[in-house]
Amino acid sequence: AQSVTQLGSHVSVSEGALVLLRCNYSSSVPPYLFWYVQYPNQGLQLLLKYTSAATLVKGINGFEAEFKKSETSFHLTKPSAHMSDAAEYFCAVSGSGGYQKVTFGIGTKLQVIP
Amino acid sequence: NAGVTQTPKFQVLKTGQSMTLQCAQDMNHNSMYWYRQDPGMGLRLIYYSASEGTTDKGEVPNGYNVSRLNKREFSLRLESAAPSQTSVYFCASSEPYRQGSYEQYFGPGTRLTVT
Repeated sequence: AQSVTQLGSHVSVSEGALVLLRCNYSSSVPPYLFWYVQYPNQGLQLLLKYTSAATLVKGINGFEAEFKKSETSFHLTKPSAHMSDAAEYFCAVSGSGGYQKVTFGIGTKLQVIP
Repeated sequence: NAGVTQTPKFQVLKTGQSMTLQCAQDMNHNSMYWYRQDPGMGLRLIYYSASEGTTDKGEVPNGYNVSRLNKREFSLRLESAAPSQTSVYFCASSEPYRQGSYEQYFGPGTRLTVT
């Protein structure tokens, strides 16, 4: 069994401020973890993924996430928000090895205030 | 590469009408998925196909059927549409059998309204 909890369905930050989007997971097997971004009226795009290599993962557009097994967390950060970061962000978890279903969180809408 | 394509982009149906949503991928992926996205509920898996020739129910399969036509194509059918099926539908594909892969690639979505 696996699940994902995203804390905060809406997050607002000022342009230039730190972005922190929280994700906690539950998995009975070693997890693979993902962050996706969805811009308005578009599909989801992969931002970054953790697949048991380095625990600090760098993604596109300056985002990064750190896998912390002891905290069962995979929070997404970006040092300085840009207006173009306004979107909805989804955390997801799957098992590893062969076919595994992916479970998505309910999403966090990021608003960037000029 | 076009990636994952979906048709149509928009559709309005009357209650009781039927329709098929089409999805195709050109990445030679083994696995394909259909999700629906509703406000405040994230993405919910309707059906998936782990590999060509197999399909399985996801979290919310009632009222839907699927066909994995070949490795490229995976269609979703609504036999008798209901207002509760008003949603945005996404198709996705992945290659879970390749080491280090596993992420899903999404299509642009179909916005369906049932009146």
